[in-house]
Amino acid sequence: DAKTTQPNSMESNEEEPVHLPCNHSTISGTDYIHWYRQLPSQGPEYVIHGLTSNVNNRMASLAIAEDRKSSTLILHRATLRDAAVYYCILRESSANDYKLSFGAGTTVTVRA
Amino acid sequence: DAGVTQSPTHLIKTRGQQVTLRCSPISGHKSVSWYQQVLGQGPQFIFQYYEKEERGRGNFPDRFSARQFPNYSSELNVNALLLGDSALYLCASSRETGLSEAFFGQGTRLTVV
Repeated sequence: DAKTTQPNSMESNEEEPVHLPCNHSTISGTDYIHWYRQLPSQGPEYVIHGLTSNVNNRMASLAIAEDRKSSTLILHRATLRDAAVYYCILRESSANDYKLSFGAGTTVTVRA
Repeated sequence: DAGVTQSPTHLIKTRGQQVTLRCSPISGHKSVSWYQQVLGQGPQFIFQYYEKEERGRGNFPDRFSARQFPNYSSELNVNALLLGDSALYLCASSRETGLSEAFFGQGTRLTVV
């Protein structure tokens, strides 16, 4: 499995942006970058994914470095509900890629 | 639409016993996966089933088994329970395999005493 490296924890103030980095220096050309988050006492939920171009959706933005060896998940205005563990995961662009390989993730704390 | 539902939500078992956990995927989803999450760690992949066939298996002992039914629901069985099997067991469903977004249930909290 391709590996990702994330900081253990990050803190933010409510209504401020949060930038969550992820390093994936061994990423292959066919790997997509996925982000999931897990709120306390819940199962993980999908946030966003991308291949090469930056991506935006209602939850977040994903900025991918030109060499694809790193990416950043951006929460534009953090709310208390965004306090969660955020996981950066690489997935092959293949129907045979059947699993999500979770690491330890980044624990995000949002201060009111 | 209802999300992924898992039952039971909590369970306490004794070492050596057997347990069956159940998962109902989102309607229309053909793929079901199982994950184990020990406290303080990320979820670890156990099995994936697609169209009633096992498509992938993680690094878990043979005490762990699973199956998927014609209605795409799934069961995870664990035999000869050990204290170390205490964890949150998560079920995820997706429309297809591969890059499909996975939707997770709330999990079953298993405690082995």
